[in-house]
Amino acid sequence: AQSVTQPDIHITVSEGASLELRCNYSYGATPYLFWYVQSPGQGLQLLLKYFSGDTLVQGIKGFEAEFKRSQSSFNLRKPSVHWSDAAEYFCAVPNTGFQKLVFGTGTRLLVSP
Amino acid sequence: NAGVMQNPRHLVRRRGQEARLRCSPMKGHSHVYWYRQLPEEGLKFMVYLQKENIIDESGMPKERFSAEFPKEGPSILRIQQVVRGDSAAYFCASSPQTSGSFEQYFGPGTRLTVT
Repeated sequence: AQSVTQPDIHITVSEGASLELRCNYSYGATPYLFWYVQSPGQGLQLLLKYFSGDTLVQGIKGFEAEFKRSQSSFNLRKPSVHWSDAAEYFCAVPNTGFQKLVFGTGTRLLVSP
Repeated sequence: NAGVMQNPRHLVRRRGQEARLRCSPMKGHSHVYWYRQLPEEGLKFMVYLQKENIIDESGMPKERFSAEFPKEGPSILRIQQVVRGDSAAYFCASSPQTSGSFEQYFGPGTRLTVT
């Protein structure tokens, strides 16, 4: 079955520092991959998605992610973190029938001054 | 273009009461998905509906939970005889009929508290 693993539950980054959030997937074929962000008390906003083609994907708010088939990874990156980036980040993959999204357990990002 | 709308945003119910959660998908979207997020956990799929049809309800608890997406009006997630363990955030998502990219757009959620 399709699954995603986010090994880091919490990450703290200083404002202005770079960020990388890890996501590993298990998928039978070329995966569709998504990163969502959830601010406290809010719904989920799509940051970026990968379907095919260029393995480096640009998203909103200055985020990017790189698909690496050899490592089964789709890590999210940002060169310089802002305090407003503090939120929970979820990696997701659709199931085989594309009838639902399977989410990782999330990584909570804290931004220190 | 309004996004996915959910109401109420917060709902408090006593044990044994019924909870009705409503979701209006984005304009032009005919696919609706419901997910549940328990405290400190990720989102878990509950049910996938198209107009007047339940396509996949593999994530729905076998008892007390039901969902519908009528021809007219919003999708409804109904929880009968709520228990404390039903306290969670319930999110609705929608996607267009011809979504080759399988993007889902999420609403702000309904936070259910059972006292």
